Amino acid sequence: EAGVAQSPRYKIIEKRQSVAFWCNPISGHATLYWYQQILGQGPKLLIQFQNNGVVDDSQLPKDRFSAERLKGVDSTLKIQPAKLEDSAVYLCASSLGKGAGNQPQHFGDGTRLSIL
Amino acid sequence: QKEVEQDPGPLSVPEGAIVSLNCTYSNSAFQYFMWYRQYSRKGPELLMYTYSSGNKEDGRFTAQVDKSSKYISLFIRDSQPSDSATYLCAMMDSSYKLIFGSGTRLLVRP
Repeated sequence: EAGVAQSPRYKIIEKRQSVAFWCNPISGHATLYWYQQILGQGPKLLIQFQNNGVVDDSQLPKDRFSAERLKGVDSTLKIQPAKLEDSAVYLCASSLGKGAGNQPQHFGDGTRLSIL
Repeated sequence: QKEVEQDPGPLSVPEGAIVSLNCTYSNSAFQYFMWYRQYSRKGPELLMYTYSSGNKEDGRFTAQVDKSSKYISLFIRDSQPSDSATYLCAMMDSSYKLIFGSGTRLLVRP
């Protein structure tokens, strides 16, 4: 079984520029998550999709972050404009369903974003 | 106060030692408790998943939950250098949103 694929692995941009990350979940996984992991901290949920729909985006800074999941498969996360505090690893995860059966969440290896 | 507190370490032990990793939490609504292992430059992977209080064992790993004290533990027996990683505790309430601790770095010396 192929894992969660993310690209790019690394990205360096200047503040106020825009950036986009891509995620391909495990085949058949209905639920997709984007997490932000700042150095020395645990992952923090940004947004959760169930198929095409958004389940939870309460911690997504909507003035600069946006995400979409077209056709209920791949997803993109965009930041525009980037701020210095956005430097972090952006992790994508997927799982079969929602609720307690949502475990395990399978994580990709993330995109490491550095803002200069 | 953070919802989930975890000592960042690093924790350095010799090979073969018993390792104890711990988290405390403040939200009494948490029902599901997990431990993830994260190697450097990799995503987290689920190690243990428990519901409510009690113990759960899987090979060299034992997860322990004490809801009355709001305290969870992960024990690793016969630790190996390959266990060197960051260990993240995580919890869910009925909303099923994962709340992670900040992680403890573990180094097992050969």
